[in-house]
Amino acid sequence: GAGVSQSPRYKVAKRGQDVALRCDPISGHVSLFWYQQALGQGPEFLTYFQNEAQLDKSGLPSDRFFAERPEGSVSTLKIQRTQQEDSAVYLCASSFPASTSTYEQYFGPGTRLTVT
Amino acid sequence: AQSVAQPEDQVNVAEGNPLTVKCTYSVSGNPYLFWYVQYPNRGLQFLLKYITGDNLVKGSYGFEAEFNKSQTSFHLKKPSALVSDSALYFCAVRGMNTGFQKLVFGTGTRLLVSP
Repeated sequence: GAGVSQSPRYKVAKRGQDVALRCDPISGHVSLFWYQQALGQGPEFLTYFQNEAQLDKSGLPSDRFFAERPEGSVSTLKIQRTQQEDSAVYLCASSFPASTSTYEQYFGPGTRLTVT
Repeated sequence: AQSVAQPEDQVNVAEGNPLTVKCTYSVSGNPYLFWYVQYPNRGLQFLLKYITGDNLVKGSYGFEAEFNKSQTSFHLKKPSALVSDSALYFCAVRGMNTGFQKLVFGTGTRLLVSP
């Protein structure tokens, strides 16, 4: 079956531009996560959705970052007025149960964002 | 706060030899521990997890990991390495507390298996 898909796979933005990154989770997965992976680092948590509800956004680095999942399936991560420090790979992951503590997350291939 | 340490940036091993990739953790209460592998330009792939029970966990592609509560470790192992195992390996932890849904990852260990 289809896994988690993300688009675009690569995005180059000029400093100050807005970008939107899309995530299509595995069909039927209730939980959706966004992570940011800087070069040479492990992924770092950004935000978590359970269906359409954003239950944890503690990892979003600034108010320029915004995520939504309006119908409880596809999610979009938006970054406004991009800065060079936003350059990273943005990973999306999904998991089926609402209570996800014991369940693994399935990751998409990521979107590599380069801000010039 | 939850944290994971992977003390080795890189591990080199010859094909056919056993491999170990180290991971130690810090978390309040009992941990849920995970290993993921990342190949170039691809997302993370789940290898195995420890939730409870037997301290030796078996996972995908012949990998296993040993949970050691007294040493707060969860080392990844494989009896006989393959060149195709060369990749970036991440250990991750999640606490049991309600609401702690996120995974906290280590910085990763690059495994290089030479022919």
